[in-house]
Amino acid sequence: QKEVEQNSGPLSVPEGAIASLNCTYSDRVSQSFFWYRQYSGKSPELIMSIYSNGDKEDGRFTAQLNKASQYVSLLIRDSQPSDSATYLCAAVNSNSGYALNFGKGTSLLVTP
Amino acid sequence: GAGVSQTPSNKVTEKGKYVELRCDPISGHTALYWYRQSLGQGPEFLIYFQGTGAADDSGLPNDRFFAVRPEGSVSTLKIQRTERGDSAVYLCASSPRTDYGLFFGQGTRLTVV
Repeated sequence: QKEVEQNSGPLSVPEGAIASLNCTYSDRVSQSFFWYRQYSGKSPELIMSIYSNGDKEDGRFTAQLNKASQYVSLLIRDSQPSDSATYLCAAVNSNSGYALNFGKGTSLLVTP
Repeated sequence: GAGVSQTPSNKVTEKGKYVELRCDPISGHTALYWYRQSLGQGPEFLIYFQGTGAADDSGLPNDRFFAVRPEGSVSTLKIQRTERGDSAVYLCASSPRTDYGLFFGQGTRLTVV
């Protein structure tokens, strides 16, 4: 199992709906997790971090961490076409304590 | 500057040539990282600097790759005897501390022909 795994998608949701993006992780990463958004041809942009079990909300975004099941999710409420991008899940590598291991990313398409 | 700056944005080079990619991190960020991203993949860790020293270069693919950060700010990634398989987007990131998340530059797209 890779350190961080994501379904590559694409995930298609209608405008205004909730988009749910999921990520699972192995024991080789620590308990610090990040979600990045990457538009086509652009670099990753940090949108959320989560360190504790439970939910963390920031505007239309909610990150959820479930340590028992080893998964992290990102919910996007009221999805907009401008949210169409690839979403990368990342976690701190347990061995190094500083390098991030990234998943392959999930492509999200929000249709008008 | 306000963000991480990388130059050049694009670099096309012939197989076997030497290239240098430059990164200017966010002012005050002591941690600097180089990653490489291929199409359809997530960024792949190459090397990490804390200050001037390379604290972890375990991600460098082979000895053709080398990076420096002589004054603890600007970093240069150097690739000798480039190969077509080196073609990718090279991303530089900086961070104020190791658990804060990384802030990426716009990347350098390297194409080896």
